[in-house]
Amino acid sequence: RKEVEQDPGPFNVPEGATVAFNCTYSNSASQSFFWYRQDCRKEPKLLMSVYSSGNEDGRFTAQLNRASQYISLLIRDSKLSDSATYLCVVNGVGYSGGGADGLTFGKGTHLIIQP
Amino acid sequence: DTGVSQNPRHKITKRGQNVTFRCDPISEHNRLYWYRQTLGQGPEFLTYFQNEAQLEKSRLLSDRFSAERPKGSFSTLEIQRTEQGDSAMYLCASSRPIGARDTQYFGPGTRLTVL
Repeated sequence: RKEVEQDPGPFNVPEGATVAFNCTYSNSASQSFFWYRQDCRKEPKLLMSVYSSGNEDGRFTAQLNRASQYISLLIRDSKLSDSATYLCVVNGVGYSGGGADGLTFGKGTHLIIQP
Repeated sequence: DTGVSQNPRHKITKRGQNVTFRCDPISEHNRLYWYRQTLGQGPEFLTYFQNEAQLEKSRLLSDRFSAERPKGSFSTLEIQRTEQGDSAMYLCASSRPIGARDTQYFGPGTRLTVL
């Protein structure tokens, strides 16, 4: 089982629509959760952290369900500029040596907003 | 520009050659991370430093790879005897944890092509 799983899409969504992505993670010891956005051939950029209580930043809402080990991202009133790959990211999964500070990324969900 | 910088941005080399990449983190960020990303995948953690100490290495980091951060500022990643499978985007990220919060910011990456 992959450590962080996302539907790769692509999601083709008309401008102005609401779109939601989910991701699941395998390690219940994971401590921190993020959504990053990555444009084609660019570096990932932090979109938002995800907190247990859920959090909102403008048109974006993120939620965490620790019991079911999934994270969601909701985008309202989608814009053409929202077209990108959205990476679900988990910290605290752990690697050889027992540390837990490297981020584990999903493969990303590709979103295309259509005019 | 006070973000993470990486040099070179692109590197083309022949199989068997050695290559070295440099990363300059955001000023005052004490943590520095290296990741590798191939097409259609999310970034994969390679290693990280806290100040000058290399604290963790992924099993992806074979003995042909070595990373240093001698003065706790910039870091270098060297790949010896490159193989075609090393072709990827090499991403550097830095952070300065505040309490339990550790948000990583990525540089633009070095795209390596091994012929």
